[in-house]
Amino acid sequence: GAGVSQSPSNKVTEKGKDVELRCDPISGHTALYWYRQSLGQGLEFLIYFQGNSAPDKSGLPSDRFSAERTGGSVSTLTIQRTQQEDSAVYLCASSGVENTIYFGEGSWLTVV
Amino acid sequence: GQNIDQPTEMTATEGAIVQINCTYQTSGFNGLFWYQQHAGEAPTFLSYNVLDGLEEKGRFSSFLSRSKGYSYLLLKELQMKDSASYLCAVPPGGSYIPTFGRGTSLIVHP
Repeated sequence: GAGVSQSPSNKVTEKGKDVELRCDPISGHTALYWYRQSLGQGLEFLIYFQGNSAPDKSGLPSDRFSAERTGGSVSTLTIQRTQQEDSAVYLCASSGVENTIYFGEGSWLTVV
Repeated sequence: GQNIDQPTEMTATEGAIVQINCTYQTSGFNGLFWYQQHAGEAPTFLSYNVLDGLEEKGRFSSFLSRSKGYSYLLLKELQMKDSASYLCAVPPGGSYIPTFGRGTSLIVHP
């Protein structure tokens, strides 16, 4: 597609529920990134994919967080048993050969 | 790991020029990014510097000195819409995954 597409744009969920966030990167981009940004805070790196593999998962905050990417394109970030501290905007980004990273509009997650 | 340091907040007047500094420490260097982020929106790409010197792009310019671990973003002819957070990002050595600074919140007033 023309840009990085994320869904849902907004999600309100109850504490303890699981959520899935989807990212569709720019067509042809092999690298895909997930970041998290809490209100008033900087961007926190979560995970990076090169193709379908995730060479760097160092930023995932706990084992409740997981991500996968299939077909070298769409990625899903899953948060199990959500907690209130998971409330944030989850930003997906992708990059191609030029290494410039382009962000999607984000998925705003609120855990109540 | 690395450290990225930017001023937390700056204010400037419409029509003026402002310089936002960024210093960094990294074990290797794979370029430096600047992003603009308006409140409630995703970051948008402004510039990517790999070599020393000044790169100009319209009203925005970005400067890099690798030996000093220093960059700045220069905004000319400021407009109210330039009020935003400006993020400096540097991938650590051996990686192309940018680590972002906390950002500089720029407030442009009439």
